Amino acid sequence: ETGVTQSPTHLIKTRGQQVTLRCSSQSGHNTVSWYQQALGQGPQFIFQYYREEENGRGNFPPRFSGLQFPNYSSELNVNALELDDSALYLCASSLAGGVSYEQYFGPGTRLTVT
Amino acid sequence: LAKTTQPISMDSYEGQEVNITCSHNNIATNDYITWYQQFPSQGPRFIIQGYKTKVTNEVASLFIPADRKSSTLSLPRVSLSDTAVYYCLVGPSILTGGGNKLTFGTGTQLKVEL
Repeated sequence: ETGVTQSPTHLIKTRGQQVTLRCSSQSGHNTVSWYQQALGQGPQFIFQYYREEENGRGNFPPRFSGLQFPNYSSELNVNALELDDSALYLCASSLAGGVSYEQYFGPGTRLTVT
Repeated sequence: LAKTTQPISMDSYEGQEVNITCSHNNIATNDYITWYQQFPSQGPRFIIQGYKTKVTNEVASLFIPADRKSSTLSLPRVSLSDTAVYYCLVGPSILTGGGNKLTFGTGTQLKVEL
């Protein structure tokens, strides 16, 4: 059983550019959630995808968008990057339904916007 | 979602039992209590989840009093490798159509020394 993987590990972008981050879910999981974690803060929920559809969104602007593919891998896209977008971006996979709050997180992508 | 309050930091020594308490005064009837652990530059890791009374697994115990307005994560005989940030999360479970969305606070930084 493979865990959650993310790519790239680190990324440096310039303000105004666009970025795509990738996540491969744990085998058998059909739900993926994305989180943004600023330095010294807890992760903040961006959005969740379930069966390739967005299934809930946190307090993030539309320039944060995503995709989930039939194999349940996922992308996070951020347009018009701002300095405040510098953070660790985490994806987490889980199985839909049930009472469990157990999600499996990847190691994250560290994005730096200059 | 219920707001949680937990200490910003705690210090302990190897071999001691550590108890981290989380307050959630406005917890709702259908809310669950979940704890995550996060090491630097890694994604959070699920530790334990409960609804009432006591839950124990191979890693920790979770104590929840009858009024459920607080909970205590107990880590038996900590070691240096338990140095991490511990997050208390409270929220309802979604039984169908996707997964639960995690709401993290700032967590408790536990430092374990020799």
